[in-house]
Amino acid sequence: DGGITQSPKYLFRKEGQNVTLSCEQNLNHDAMYWYRQDPGQGLRLIYYSQIVNDFQKGDIAEGYSVSREKKESFPLTVTSAQKNPTAFYLCASSIGQPRNQPQHFGDGTRLSIL
Amino acid sequence: SQQGEEDPQALSIQEGENATMNCSYKTSINNLQWYRQNSGRGLVHLILIRSNEREKHSGRLRVTLDTSKKSSSLLITASRAADTASYFCATDAGIIQGAQKLVFGQGTRLTINP
Repeated sequence: DGGITQSPKYLFRKEGQNVTLSCEQNLNHDAMYWYRQDPGQGLRLIYYSQIVNDFQKGDIAEGYSVSREKKESFPLTVTSAQKNPTAFYLCASSIGQPRNQPQHFGDGTRLSIL
Repeated sequence: SQQGEEDPQALSIQEGENATMNCSYKTSINNLQWYRQNSGRGLVHLILIRSNEREKHSGRLRVTLDTSKKSSSLLITASRAADTASYFCATDAGIIQGAQKLVFGQGTRLTINP
């Protein structure tokens, strides 16, 4: 079954610590995305990537970093510079081109502060 | 930035009744998409409607789009307990660096009472 796998499901961060959230897809999609969701809110775009070794900042990139070394993988690092990291993080992918395509989502990682 | 605003924020109905959710946005779009999110899970794509379409159906779902009013509605007919979830509209803000950028509303929390 094709899909997107996010791990871990729950993650705890200590003060001053960087943590990395994993996102893997086997849909052969070119584009991948990271979103942040706060309680009762919609999704806000953190970073996105169209192709391997290329990625762009979204609306709330400060305090986050990403890499795209493989088509299947798009890990997100929440750095110590992100002062309010507690949130639900969602990874998504899409075909990219042509347009008018849906995005497919993983089941998220919930990050909390210890 | 353009953003879908959803109305109502919460809706509670009896099983078997119809549920209607509305979404308004600010600028022209290429398409509008509706997603469902069960508690603690990722988003699931429901329907995509293009800017040149006025109505679209999928099973018990009916979506309308009025580009002159910059609004869309999602109708779920003959609701079931399993329809209990949050529903989000997302507007296609265009292709940026080869990736599709979606802007999400804050969602409508739908509760179906048995």
